[in-house]
Amino acid sequence: DAKTTQPPSMDCAEGRAANLPCNHSTISGNEYVYWYRQIHSQGPQYIIHGLKNNETNEMASLIITEDRKSSTLILPHATLRDTAVYYCIVRSARMDSSYKLIFGSGTRLLVRP
Amino acid sequence: NAGVTQTPKFRVLKTGQSMTLLCAQDMNHEYMYWYRQDPGMGLRLIHYSVGEGTTAKGEVPDGYNVSRLKKQNFLLGLESAAPSQTSVYFCASSSPASGQGAHGYTFGSGTRLTVV
Repeated sequence: DAKTTQPPSMDCAEGRAANLPCNHSTISGNEYVYWYRQIHSQGPQYIIHGLKNNETNEMASLIITEDRKSSTLILPHATLRDTAVYYCIVRSARMDSSYKLIFGSGTRLLVRP
Repeated sequence: NAGVTQTPKFRVLKTGQSMTLLCAQDMNHEYMYWYRQDPGMGLRLIHYSVGEGTTAKGEVPDGYNVSRLKKQNFLLGLESAAPSQTSVYFCASSSPASGQGAHGYTFGSGTRLTVV
């Protein structure tokens, strides 16, 4: 599975958009980009995933560049409850990969009042 | 709907003792995973299972054994606990048919283990 690179920490003001970048320059054609977050010591929570196209759900938007070498997770109106560690993960869609998620260090997002 | 349940939530072991962590899921997921998370670090995959009766090694399998005798349960065993195994252990399950989208994971709330 491709390796990802994320900034170790970021902050943003409450109510503003939080834009979290992720580099995955070695991504291959059959690999998805997944985003999870971990609030304090809880289990990670699924946010969104995508292959080529931009995706949006009730939690966030995912923007994937045309060459797929990087992506950005957007939280449109960050709240204090969005303070968490955000993990960008690239994972194979192949059946023999067992759909394993390999976590990196993530980005620690602090939302300021 | 309980999702993924881990027991116990907390445990303190003495070096050399053994214990089993239980993970149970009620979503009929085929795949199950055990991770550990040390302070300030990301999760690391210990072992995983793609179906009842099958298990495989992850990134950090040494010192652990697993069993998947029933589809809904995935057990993680420590035969002789060491202080280096002090960590928070997370279980997860996944299925191509899961509601989180293609192959999304559902995680349990974790087991905090301290080995003294």
